[in-house]
Amino acid sequence: AQKITQTQPGMFVQEKEAVTLDCTYDTSDPSYGLFWYKQPSSGEMIFLIYQGSYDQQNATEGRYSLNFQKARKSANLVISASQLGDSAMYFCAMREGTGNQFYFGTGTSLTVIP
Amino acid sequence: DAGVTQSPTHLIKTRGQQVTLRCSPKSGHDTVSWYQQALGQGPQFIFQYYEEEERQRGNFPDRFSGHQFPNYSSELNVNALLLGDSALYLCASNLGPPGSSTDTQYFGPGTRLTVL
Repeated sequence: AQKITQTQPGMFVQEKEAVTLDCTYDTSDPSYGLFWYKQPSSGEMIFLIYQGSYDQQNATEGRYSLNFQKARKSANLVISASQLGDSAMYFCAMREGTGNQFYFGTGTSLTVIP
Repeated sequence: DAGVTQSPTHLIKTRGQQVTLRCSPKSGHDTVSWYQQALGQGPQFIFQYYEEEERQRGNFPDRFSGHQFPNYSSELNVNALLLGDSALYLCASNLGPPGSSTDTQYFGPGTRLTVL
């Protein structure tokens, strides 16, 4: 079974609007971390936001927030007030408590339309 | 604060050749992981080094090997290159040890390997 599933290959959003990128995960480990990375065409993976499995509140980092629904095993990324520079690939990743290996999804390509 | 650096940026090899990719971790980090990212896919974990030893390994053949030096920098070696090894190779670093770290992995810009 896939550890991380991203079901949206591509998304479009109007500039200044909010957008939600979906991510579901699969693990039996009670301790895990969920991450979102942005990958522009240059290739570098840029860390955006982290959510720990025991965190009570949803993580927020500036315009990024993580909608963490533990029972549904989902960790959706919400980008508010989209900017043209937000156009990139977005990857959801998980690290299980037993190691530092990251499991990545297949990514979502976000295009911000002026 | 220096981030993760990788060299070279791009590399072109032919089938059967061998290649070495290099990575310097972010300042203060001692654990290095390598990932392979094929076109249109998410990164796949190759292996992780901590205290100059391979600590975890993904589902990659023995043609993929690595090394970590006392200064925490790392090399990824791939022998007998195949066309399917063409990919972006990403290095990531964090503060170890493996299994107990809560630190985020920070990635370098990658090395794009093309095998002809």
